[in-house]
Amino acid sequence: NAGVTQTPKFRILKIGQSMTLQCTQDMNHNYMYWYRQDPGMGLKLIYYSVGAGITDKGEVPNGYNVSRSTTEDFPLRLELAAPSQTSVYFCASRGETQYFGPGTRLLVL
Amino acid sequence: AQSVTQPDIHITVSEGASLELRCNYSYGATPYLFWYVQSPGQGLQLLLKYFSGDTLVQGIKGFEAEFKRSQSSFNLRKPSVHWSDAAEYFCAVGLMEYGNKLVFGAGTILRVKS
Repeated sequence: NAGVTQTPKFRILKIGQSMTLQCTQDMNHNYMYWYRQDPGMGLKLIYYSVGAGITDKGEVPNGYNVSRSTTEDFPLRLELAAPSQTSVYFCASRGETQYFGPGTRLLVL
Repeated sequence: AQSVTQPDIHITVSEGASLELRCNYSYGATPYLFWYVQSPGQGLQLLLKYFSGDTLVQGIKGFEAEFKRSQSSFNLRKPSVHWSDAAEYFCAVGLMEYGNKLVFGAGTILRVKS
């Protein structure tokens, strides 16, 4: 039982490039989330999903897209990377409480 | 709007001393409350949670927290801090909106001096 896994751990992007942050959970949770963490700001919700095929925007969705084709996977897509998207990204899934992945550190230059 | 305030950005305590990290929330309904810990370069680990019932909750690693409705607070305590407790601590409120999202405070960085 690996819990929530995220790849990659670290990535450097150039402005305008695109990438997908991967998130997988093996706990059969319906609810999954993407947060970003900026220094001194806590975590902010980007997108969430209540089950396969169902996604919705969180507080800070601009510049991101998600999909949820299976219960296990919840990838986050950045289409045109901008410096403002430099952050640490956490994926989480929810059973009784939210379980977090180890994070992806993204630097956009 | 719902919010979580952690008034202390940094706290330094001596090893073996007691610890209290403050958390205040603004939320109209009865909240679900959480404390998470994050070690450098790591994800968030749940320390403890409050859903209902006994207002003093016990968590992992010897931590406890007390829910005080009248003060809208959920302070985290530990009677004797160990050097391995040095980390960043986040208080969070669970909301019904946005698929039961968590609203996080800005965090408190704990430093432990020997």
